[in-house]
Amino acid sequence: AAGVIQSPRHLIKEKRETATLKCYPIPRHDTVYWYQQGPGQDPQFLISFYEKMQSDKGSIPDRFSAQQFSDYHSELNMSSLELGDSALYFCASSSSGVSGNYGYTFGSGTRLTVV
Amino acid sequence: SQQGEEDPQALSIQEGENATMNCSYKTSINNLQWYRQNSGRGLVHLILIRSNEREKHSGRLRVTLDTSKKSSSLLITASRAADTASYFCATDEDNYGQNFVFGPGTRLSVLP
Repeated sequence: AAGVIQSPRHLIKEKRETATLKCYPIPRHDTVYWYQQGPGQDPQFLISFYEKMQSDKGSIPDRFSAQQFSDYHSELNMSSLELGDSALYFCASSSSGVSGNYGYTFGSGTRLTVV
Repeated sequence: SQQGEEDPQALSIQEGENATMNCSYKTSINNLQWYRQNSGRGLVHLILIRSNEREKHSGRLRVTLDTSKKSSSLLITASRAADTASYFCATDEDNYGQNFVFGPGTRLSVLP
């Protein structure tokens, strides 16, 4: 079965550079969530989109932005990267934008290393 | 504030034993989910329990939910070395899936 696809799997950037992470949800899933997981930390919610509109915002820095496109894939854009941005970035998708019906499926994550 | 908080933070058991992990939360919820994460890998959805359910089973997994105590437990029976991973609970904070909040996780080590 198709899963949530994230790209790239690994990314190394220098401080102050820009990074773009991509997420392709499960077909027919209309909601995408972005999470950040620092080393040894629990995943922290960044932002979510439902039907291409931002539906909720968590602890996402102003240096980050995201959007969901017409094909429902999403991109997380990160600018002026800092060493503390080094983390695993997960994307999850679900159907109907309502929790509790189908659960959430996570991608394998993008490991971003800022040097 | 942390929504889901797992207890214990780390658990080490022998193969064949049962492992019980607990999760507490603060606000009302629509559902609670348990996820598994192998070191540095993606999160895998294990089981979802709705706020009107008290117990749910899936293979060797058993999840209970006590909304009066705002707590849940995940029981893994007859554990295997392959069950070694971190286990997180996540709740939706009664916001109809706009986002969900993870606890700090329990690191389970199953020794052969």
